[in-house]
Amino acid sequence: QVQLVESGGGVVQPGRSLRLSCAASGFTFSSYGMHWVRQAPGKGLEWVAVISYDGSNKYYADSVKGRFTISRDNSKNTLYLQMNSLRAEDTAVYYCAKDFYYGSGSYPADAFDIWGQGTMVTVSS
Amino acid sequence: DIQMTQSPSSLSASVGDRVTITCRASQSISSYLNWYQQKPGKAPKLLIYAASSLQSGVPSRFSGSGSGTDFTLTISSLQPEDFATYYCQQSYSTPPTFGQGTRLEIK
Repeated sequence: QVQLVESGGGVVQPGRSLRLSCAASGFTFSSYGMHWVRQAPGKGLEWVAVISYDGSNKYYADSVKGRFTISRDNSKNTLYLQMNSLRAEDTAVYYCAKDFYYGSGSYPADAFDIWGQGTMVTVSS
Repeated sequence: DIQMTQSPSSLSASVGDRVTITCRASQSISSYLNWYQQKPGKAPKLLIYAASSLQSGVPSRFSGSGSGTDFTLTISSLQPEDFATYYCQQSYSTPPTFGQGTRLEIK
């Protein structure tokens, strides 16, 4: 079945780095854009980053730009999020999500149709 | 960035009730609006995309409407499994942004 499984979360000190992974199965991973979305404890959803199906285009939320890097390895059906210079405000559950494009024009016109179970990142000294 | 505002922030209702949640965008987003359901400790689930299109496998008691800046999610007859938090999200421009959520509780 279609599935996304995140890993790599944990407790890390401020200023340190962490890399999250998201293993995909049950669909043609190399055909779809992929996103990271996070949710701080007790808070709402915040989009973090997106990567195109072939890795050629990447966009980031302003809150993580310059610190986080999204990447993918289509040969391994795996999405990554490299998180550097971590801050307390990066503490959240991080979800990977598959892109579902429904538009026909120049707008993003997409949704997140498949989500992983999430991995918790805690930034604390 | 486009701001999304949901109302109400929380709502109490009973099984069988008809419920409507509203989402307003800070500028026109045409019909590029999606709705998600999230249960405690679980990942969000896509319910509605493009304002009114029902995602595959989602019960028909869920419906969406609206365009421009004002949108609604309606649950025609609440079932016990519908008590959750609901989020709207715009996909008109990058970055995609979410509403703050509406928590639907059992009365």
